[in-house]
Amino acid sequence: EAQVTQNPRYLITVTGKKLTVTCSQNMNHEYMSWYRQDPGLGLRQIYYSMNVEVTDKGDVPEGYKVSRKEKRNFPLILESPSPNQTSLYFCASSFGQNTGELFFGEGSRLTVL
Amino acid sequence: GIQVEQSPPDLILQEGANSTLRCNFSDSVNNLQWFHQNPWGQLINLFYIPSGTKQNGRLSATTVATERYSLLYISSSQTTDSGVYFCAVRTGSYKLIFGSGTRLLVRP
Repeated sequence: EAQVTQNPRYLITVTGKKLTVTCSQNMNHEYMSWYRQDPGLGLRQIYYSMNVEVTDKGDVPEGYKVSRKEKRNFPLILESPSPNQTSLYFCASSFGQNTGELFFGEGSRLTVL
Repeated sequence: GIQVEQSPPDLILQEGANSTLRCNFSDSVNNLQWFHQNPWGQLINLFYIPSGTKQNGRLSATTVATERYSLLYISSSQTTDSGVYFCAVRTGSYKLIFGSGTRLLVRP
């Protein structure tokens, strides 16, 4: 089954404790992206990747890192999480860079205390 | 940048009723998608529809790219249709830009 898989789905952590949210897709997609969703602010792009070893900042990259060492994986790293990073996070992928249907993971709800 | 506007912002229906949701966008787009975000927060792909008309069961969508709008039709609504419906467009900037959504509540 074609899908985008995120882990963990739910996480409660404390300020400053490094964490990684993994994202994996099995559709051989070139393009992958991370979004966060906050009440009243909608979905905002954090980082995106057009292919292996090619990443770029989205609208709200501060406090986040990403890497794309393999085509299928695009982890989101919070080196020193802060409470303002409490949010619902989505990973997404598509075949093309600016065309093609975008598929979303099920979301990861992160709480930073 | 491109603006994406959805209407109405909120909609309450009685089960069995039909509805039309609208998405207007301010510039040419490479693609357009409709999503349903269910009460558990999951984003469900409904349609990938840069132009033309598609149908999937009780749902159908039409995009008129030259006039910069798209419509999502829900017929014979069910309580499970409740949630938020998003329209999202992609331009040449690799980014998917979301509208603010239509919050739908279907009452039994």
